[in-house]
Amino acid sequence: ETGVTQSPTHLIKTRGQQVTLRCSSQSGHNTVSWYQQALGQGPQFIFQYYREEENGRGNFPPRFSGLQFPNYSSELNVNALELDDSALYLCASSLSGLAGTGELFFGEGSRLTVL
Amino acid sequence: SQQGEEDPQALSIQEGENATMNCSYKTSINNLQWYRQNSGRGLVHLILIRSNEREKHSGRLRVTLDTSKKSSSLLITASRAADTASYFCATSGVNNNDMRFGAGTRLTVKP
Repeated sequence: ETGVTQSPTHLIKTRGQQVTLRCSSQSGHNTVSWYQQALGQGPQFIFQYYREEENGRGNFPPRFSGLQFPNYSSELNVNALELDDSALYLCASSLSGLAGTGELFFGEGSRLTVL
Repeated sequence: SQQGEEDPQALSIQEGENATMNCSYKTSINNLQWYRQNSGRGLVHLILIRSNEREKHSGRLRVTLDTSKKSSSLLITASRAADTASYFCATSGVNNNDMRFGAGTRLTVKP
């Protein structure tokens, strides 16, 4: 158990809809990263939030957006869903700064199916 | 795009044997980490090796890093059926704000 919780665990949407995924980070962590993992592939970096600001972004279109709240929890929003957005979405929390180890602590993921 | 590339893509061994997985990457790194994932669940951190380190041990795990060849290896000794999982290497640059994962090695340990 990492202390990182994600919700919902599973959801089904149709093309064109919007989805919001949520993540509660581990106590004491100030950074949240989001990843998309298609079946049989490695996790692809979407973006990272540090102190409520986007701190890095992968090769994902603007319809993928996020938020980080003062308690360091986070949301991933995806607009205009496409079939290829079907994947496991993973949230990982970490501690940035001098005390940080660089280690990511992952939640169990939210599995999104787009029909 | 993914930074690391694991090799082999799949590995099947008998319990008690050693398993070696390799990772190659393309750009300069701050550190390299190995993670494990059981079928479609969250990833679990195994070990981190910094760019100025060459070898690190943790229990039955041994990791090496060769920055001149931009490669790393993960050795699991005396494997167990419970080691069956996918193993990923991940690298981060100087800013530590974009950890990138490879496609993984799927390890099967037969009892």
